[in-house]
Amino acid sequence: GENVEQHPSTLSVQEGDSAVIKCTYSDSASNYFPWYKQELGKRPQLIIDIRSNVGEKKDQRIAVTLNKTAKHFSLHITETQPEDSAVYFCAATGGYQKVTFGTGTKLQVIP
Amino acid sequence: GAVVSQHPSWVICKSGTSVKIECRSLDFQATTMFWYRQFPKQSLMLMATSNEGSKATYEQGVEKDKFLINHASLTLSTLTVTSAHPEDSSFYICSARDSGLAGGGLTDTQYFGPGTRLTVL
Repeated sequence: GENVEQHPSTLSVQEGDSAVIKCTYSDSASNYFPWYKQELGKRPQLIIDIRSNVGEKKDQRIAVTLNKTAKHFSLHITETQPEDSAVYFCAATGGYQKVTFGTGTKLQVIP
Repeated sequence: GAVVSQHPSWVICKSGTSVKIECRSLDFQATTMFWYRQFPKQSLMLMATSNEGSKATYEQGVEKDKFLINHASLTLSTLTVTSAHPEDSSFYICSARDSGLAGGGLTDTQYFGPGTRLTVL
C-alpha cells in the first residue's frame, strides 16, 4: 500500500517568513495530493491540492509543487501570519482509493 | 463548498455500552465515506471505507465486529462502537468523497466532518 512520509514534524518561523513542508510517497499510481490544515480540536480543512499532471499550483500565499519522478511534493507558505499556526497534513491517493495521510507538521508562526 | 456534518460532537459513556456516530453529507451525495480515528497529536488513521449499499472495508487491525459501519443511503453513514472500553476513547472523524468533474479531470476531494470526541469511563 501507499506510504507517505512528512517532514519536519514541527516547524517554527517568524511572522512574515516562509514555511516549507515536504512529503514523499511510495505508490507511483497515486495521482492526487491534497493538503489539509487542522487547528486544535477542529476538523481538517482542505487548503490546496495538486494532481499528477501538474507540477505546481499556487493560491495566494500557498503553493504546492510535485515531482513525480522523485515522488516528492511540498507545501510552501509565504508571508506567514500567526493564523497560519496549525497542524498541516499532506496526503496521497490513487483516485477512488483511500487517502493516505502523512504524520503531520505542527507549524508555529511567531509574531 | 461541500458540507459534512457529524453527530454527536462529543459523547461520554460508561464502559461496556455502545455508541453510534452519524456522518451526513448535507449538499452532495457520497457513495463512499471514510471513518478515521485520531489520537492526540497524531495523524488521522483510516479505520474503514464505507460504501453505500455494501459492506464496509476495514483496515488491517480494525475489528469489524467492534466498529460496526452502516452506509444505508447516499448521504448517511453510521459508526457504532460496540462494548466501548476506555482505550476506545479518541477523536473519530468521518469524511465523504465528492467525486466530480473539474477542468476536465476527475477530482477526488474529501470533506471532513467536525469530528466526535468519545470518552469512555
